[in-house]
Amino acid sequence: GAVVSQHPSRVICKSGTSVKIECRSLDFQATTMFWYRQFPKQSLMLMATSNEGSKATYEQGVEKDKFLINHASLTLSTLTVTSAHPEDSSFYICSARGVGLEKLFFGSGTQLSVL
Amino acid sequence: KQEVTQIPAALSVPEGENLVLNCSFTDSAIYNLQWFRQDPGKGLTSLLLIQSSQREQTSGRLNASLDKSSGRSTLYIAASQPGDSATYLCAVRRGQAGTALIFGKGTTLSVSS
Repeated sequence: GAVVSQHPSRVICKSGTSVKIECRSLDFQATTMFWYRQFPKQSLMLMATSNEGSKATYEQGVEKDKFLINHASLTLSTLTVTSAHPEDSSFYICSARGVGLEKLFFGSGTQLSVL
Repeated sequence: KQEVTQIPAALSVPEGENLVLNCSFTDSAIYNLQWFRQDPGKGLTSLLLIQSSQREQTSGRLNASLDKSSGRSTLYIAASQPGDSATYLCAVRRGQAGTALIFGKGTTLSVSS
């Protein structure tokens, strides 16, 4: 099956710093990428949708200036959490969809801890 | 707005039992429904995908059913094993192109040996 690689798997940073999370589709072209966030014991909540070469569409309540999404190529999307604060500590996971693929494929997730 | 609910939130069973996890969704206009498994701190493993035109899908000891008109799906796990312990997530997709999955909160299953 299709593989989505997400890095890093875990990151600890100080408050105020920026963190970049990468999501790569290894064996297919990801025309659409979805970024989710999951707080403990909660469901995955969609943050934004990005199509290659276009600006991301953010869900209501998600700050686009804080969560910068870049989808510059068909195999790479990045999420940058700018000026991270402790309340941004969460599990972030990407999902990719390729042309002709029915399923959405998920990365392994990134656990972000902001001190 | 689509909402997905999963019942129960947690379930503990002894090894060998058959069990059913429930999922309901408020908008029956779905494209497909997927069941996932999530281990603590890990990503998602897709278990079964049911298209809106299908009634069920089977994979090994897993069987998922879909009743789109009533907004319900069930995941049946036969002869449960300790290795089945995980959180099971149900997710629905509204459209084909460019639409995300909407997830339920999951059912956390614990199978004791």
